[in-house]
Amino acid sequence: GNSVTQMEGPVTLSEEAFLTINCTYTATGYPSLFWYVQYPGEGLQLLLKATKADDKGSNKGFEATYRKETTSFHLEKGSVQVSDSAVYFCALRGSSGGGADGLTFGKGTHLIIQP
Amino acid sequence: DTAVSQTPKYLVTQMGNDKSIKCEQNLGHDTMYWYKQDSKKFLKIMFSYNNKELIINETVPNRFSPKSPDKAHLNLHINSLELGDSAVYFCASSQGQGTIDTQYFGPGTRLTVL
Repeated sequence: GNSVTQMEGPVTLSEEAFLTINCTYTATGYPSLFWYVQYPGEGLQLLLKATKADDKGSNKGFEATYRKETTSFHLEKGSVQVSDSAVYFCALRGSSGGGADGLTFGKGTHLIIQP
Repeated sequence: DTAVSQTPKYLVTQMGNDKSIKCEQNLGHDTMYWYKQDSKKFLKIMFSYNNKELIINETVPNRFSPKSPDKAHLNLHINSLELGDSAVYFCASSQGQGTIDTQYFGPGTRLTVL
């Protein structure tokens, strides 16, 4: 079956530091890959997505590239801010299930940015 | 202009009770979902539903049942609540059923069973 593995954290960084959150996946076929963010007390918001190999998703200074050869979709940001503190979820939607398949999520990475 | 809304935001109830959580989306989407987020923040699909079919995650107890009065609503009914049902429940929707279709999430309902 499909699965997503990501570092769980917490990851603590200083403001303006470089961020990488690793995400690797297992899936059959050609999944789409997503990063969602959950701010404290809120629901999940789509941060970025990529739907085919070598696609780069980007939003709000965050980037992730769909690497089929390494089955990875690592999230990066060049300079983090305190407001980026949240839980980040890597997710995939597989192409082999058919019908209205749900997303398969990683366990989430809690990011804490200190001033 | 809320896209996906849920009520209530918080729900506290006793074991054995029956409760419902409502979900509405105003995006015109044709597919809706329910997810459960446990105390460790792990998210798992419970149901996905469009006007043609219901797909149930086989690990979901049959005490849980989704009900859709129309395309914009997917409510979650839970019978005989148990302590282990305590979690945050998220509703989501997407335009289609394809792999590339983005799912948009509601704010969540925190259920506490005492």
